[in-house]
Amino acid sequence: EPEVTQTPSHQVTQMGQEVILRCVPISNHLYFYWYRQILGQKVEFLVSFYNNEISEKSEIFDDQFSVERPDGSNFTLKIRSTKLEDSAMYFCASIRGRRDTEAFFGQGTRLTVV
Amino acid sequence: GQQVMQIPQYQHVQEGEDFTTYCNSSTTLSNIQWYKQRPGGHPVFLIQLVKSGEVKKQKRLTFQFGEAKKNSSLHITATQTTDVGTYFCLRGGGSEKLVFGKGTKLTVNP
Repeated sequence: EPEVTQTPSHQVTQMGQEVILRCVPISNHLYFYWYRQILGQKVEFLVSFYNNEISEKSEIFDDQFSVERPDGSNFTLKIRSTKLEDSAMYFCASIRGRRDTEAFFGQGTRLTVV
Repeated sequence: GQQVMQIPQYQHVQEGEDFTTYCNSSTTLSNIQWYKQRPGGHPVFLIQLVKSGEVKKQKRLTFQFGEAKKNSSLHITATQTTDVGTYFCLRGGGSEKLVFGKGTKLTVNP
């Protein structure tokens, strides 16, 4: 069964450092998303991406965040200068098409900022 | 997008007991989706309901969409320890972002 893959599974970084979280969505999917979940809290939308551009972003997704699809397969989330409060599980998700319903989530990357 | 309100927030049952979680919206929904997140896991799509009054079953899980398309429920018959997790009902889907609420966290005592 096709799946969304995320790497690394766990990343520890020092405050102020840049991190890049990587995702490989399912190959024929067109819509991509990043969500985050702080431990014990709900899943929060960060950004959606379609046709090589951001289609929507939340208030959380400030100038410290950026997304890219550099090579047609990877979908990355970059945090330029990490803060302690960026510690969370980050989930990538993809949907095949506009009319499709099921969002496929990756296993997540646990980011710990120390 | 406006999230759908879900109750209860927590539910603890003995294995073998039934479980129900309810979702309500103040506005009519075009559809509603259900996801499950196991502890330490990622959200997994369960089902989408679209039609007024729709009822769908997946083994011990029964999903309902209200006649007015403003509420939905998930009922699990004879819970098992594998049912443990947080269940979310969401509006959105397709190309729209999914808006997660707090969901209902189910724990099952063996």
